Amino acid sequence: QKEVEQNSGPLSVPEGAIASLNCTYSDRGSQSFFWYRQYSGKSPELIMSIYSNGDKEDGRFTAQLNKASQYVSLLIRDSQPSDSATYLCAVANQAGTALIFGKGTTLSVSS
Amino acid sequence: EAGVTQFPSHSVIEKGQTVTLRCDPISGHDNLYWYRRVMGKEIKFLLHFVKESKQDESGMPNNRFLAERTGGTYSTLKVQPAELEDSGVYFCASSQAPLPNSPLHFGNGTRLTVT
Repeated sequence: QKEVEQNSGPLSVPEGAIASLNCTYSDRGSQSFFWYRQYSGKSPELIMSIYSNGDKEDGRFTAQLNKASQYVSLLIRDSQPSDSATYLCAVANQAGTALIFGKGTTLSVSS
Repeated sequence: EAGVTQFPSHSVIEKGQTVTLRCDPISGHDNLYWYRRVMGKEIKFLLHFVKESKQDESGMPNNRFLAERTGGTYSTLKVQPAELEDSGVYFCASSQAPLPNSPLHFGNGTRLTVT
């Protein structure tokens, strides 16, 4: 079983819709979770971090964490074409020295 | 504030040659990380420096890879001799504090192609 799993997509949504990106992880002891956005040829950019069960909102982005189900998600409301990118889920290892990444989900928002 | 800078952006070398990648972290960031993404795979951790000391090098694939951070400023990652499977994008990241207390800021990466 991969440590961090994401559906590679592409996930296609129309402009203005809600995009839902999902991620599961295998280490039950994981405590810190991150969502990065990466445009083609560019660096991964941190969007959200979440550490506690429940929802965390920042503008149009909401991260959701369920440690019992080992599941973390990212919702993007009012999706815009500029949101089209690859979204990477990352989990900090228990030592806190490294991020473990999923392969990423490609999101395409059509206008 | 300047971001994390990596040089070169692209490198094409032949199998058996040596390549050195450079990373300049954000000024004042003591923590510096190297990651790698090979084709079709996820981004994987290589190692973590705190200032000039290697904190965790558990992700280094083998002894053909040597990372240094003399003086605790910029870092280099040398691959010698390069093999075909070393092709991929090498990312450097830096942070003010270690994970998870401080976000990682990534550079644009160096795309290495070994032919």
